Amino acid sequence: DGGITQSPKYLFRKEGQNVTLSCEQNLNHDAMYWYRQDPGQGLRLIYYSQIVNDFQKGDIAEGYSVSREKKESFPLTVTSAQKNPTAFYLCASRTGGAEKLFFGSGTQLSVL
Amino acid sequence: QQQVKQSPQSLIVQKGGISIINCAYENTAFDYFPWYQQFPGKGPALLIAIRPDVSEKKEGRFTISFNKSAKQFSLHIMDSQPGDSATYFCAARPRTDYKLSFGAGTTVTVRA
Repeated sequence: DGGITQSPKYLFRKEGQNVTLSCEQNLNHDAMYWYRQDPGQGLRLIYYSQIVNDFQKGDIAEGYSVSREKKESFPLTVTSAQKNPTAFYLCASRTGGAEKLFFGSGTQLSVL
Repeated sequence: QQQVKQSPQSLIVQKGGISIINCAYENTAFDYFPWYQQFPGKGPALLIAIRPDVSEKKEGRFTISFNKSAKQFSLHIMDSQPGDSATYFCAARPRTDYKLSFGAGTTVTVRA
C-alpha cells in the first residue's frame, strides 16, 4: 500500500532533549511538509521541501530542524530550543504539479 | 496571525440536518481553496476543493460555496450522517506558492 508512515505514534521528550520524528513516503512524491497541530489553532507549517537536498522554513520554524537527503524521507528534529513542543505533528506530501496533500497519521509529542 | 479565519469552532447537528462552516480570507492572491476532513488520531484528508473562477462546487452531499467579492467560502454538508462527525479545516494557497494556510478547524458532531 502506498502512503505516508510517521513514527513513533507517541513520543515523550525530557527537558533539554532533542527528539526526531520520522516521516517516510512511498508515493514517489517530490514535495514534503511538516505541520504542527494545536487545539483551536489549525495546522501551522513548520518546514517544507520541494526537492531532495532543499527545504524552506514555514511559519513557525524556530526550534525545529529538518533534512531531506532522500526523496522518500523527511525527518523533523524538535530541538531543546523549542520551549513548547507538546503538539500533534503531521507530515504530508504532494506530487509535483498536483494540489492534493496526503497526510500521515501523525505523532503526538509530549513533554515529561 | 491566521490568514484564513474559520467559524464556528464547533457545531452539533441532528442526523439529516445541514452543517455549515464558514471561512474568510484577506489575501487576494489566494486562488485555491480546499477543505480537509480529519478524524480523531488521524491525518486530514482532502474532501473537496474550489478555484475562484466558479461560485459553487458539489461532490455528493458536500458543497463549497464561494463568494470572491466578499472573500468568503463555506462548506455545506447536506443530510448530515453520524459518520460525518469529524474536524473540518478550510485552507487557501496563493497562485505563486504551494504553501497552504489552514483555518483553525470546526468540530462537527452529528447526533443520531
